[in-house]
Amino acid sequence: ETGVTQTPRHLVMGMTNKKSLKCEQHLGHNAMYWYKQSAKKPLELMFVYNFKEQTENNSVPSRFSPECPNSSHLFLHLHTLQPEDSALYLCASSPSGTTKETQYFGPGTRLLVL
Amino acid sequence: DAKTTQPPSMDCAEGRAANLPCNHSTISGNEYVYWYRQIHSQGPQYIIHGLKNNETNEMASLIITEDRKSSTLILPHATLRDTAVYYCIVRADGGYQKVTFGTGTKLQVIP
Repeated sequence: ETGVTQTPRHLVMGMTNKKSLKCEQHLGHNAMYWYKQSAKKPLELMFVYNFKEQTENNSVPSRFSPECPNSSHLFLHLHTLQPEDSALYLCASSPSGTTKETQYFGPGTRLLVL
Repeated sequence: DAKTTQPPSMDCAEGRAANLPCNHSTISGNEYVYWYRQIHSQGPQYIIHGLKNNETNEMASLIITEDRKSSTLILPHATLRDTAVYYCIVRADGGYQKVTFGTGTKLQVIP
């Protein structure tokens, strides 16, 4: 248990569906992150939010839309995904987003796009 | 961020020490070395980090060479639950956090 929770843990969706992934951290952190981990590939950073402001978008397609309503919650809205988007999506948080901090990861949402 | 190089896989007998190497020859003076591990289908778990000196915590020890171009993560008494992919990461200083994970080392602890 790391203090970062993600729901759902597993999701199957069609290419025309719209779904959302949710992340919540109970650590009092101000920075939150979305990562994608595809099979046999390194973790890829997708988005960074710091004090609710998006500070990084790593050239992620617009079919992925993040939302950070407050420092404790982070969403990833999904629409018209492709089968190659099937992956483990990980959320992480850290105290203030500066470089030397440890990031704390959630368990991930395993997404399958049919 | 400096690039790291790790062997793709290693085996270790249960109860023995597991020594996982990492090369980071282009590391800058203000970059820290972090180790995470990822057990199958779970999120990465922080293990330990250091700058110059060797570090030890309840999970592992981190040995960093004097020139800081390589490091070794030591799990003193490996158990079956330590089977995981271990990632060595170095971080650039300044600005907001950006962690770049490589492909890691798949450690298999054998009974």
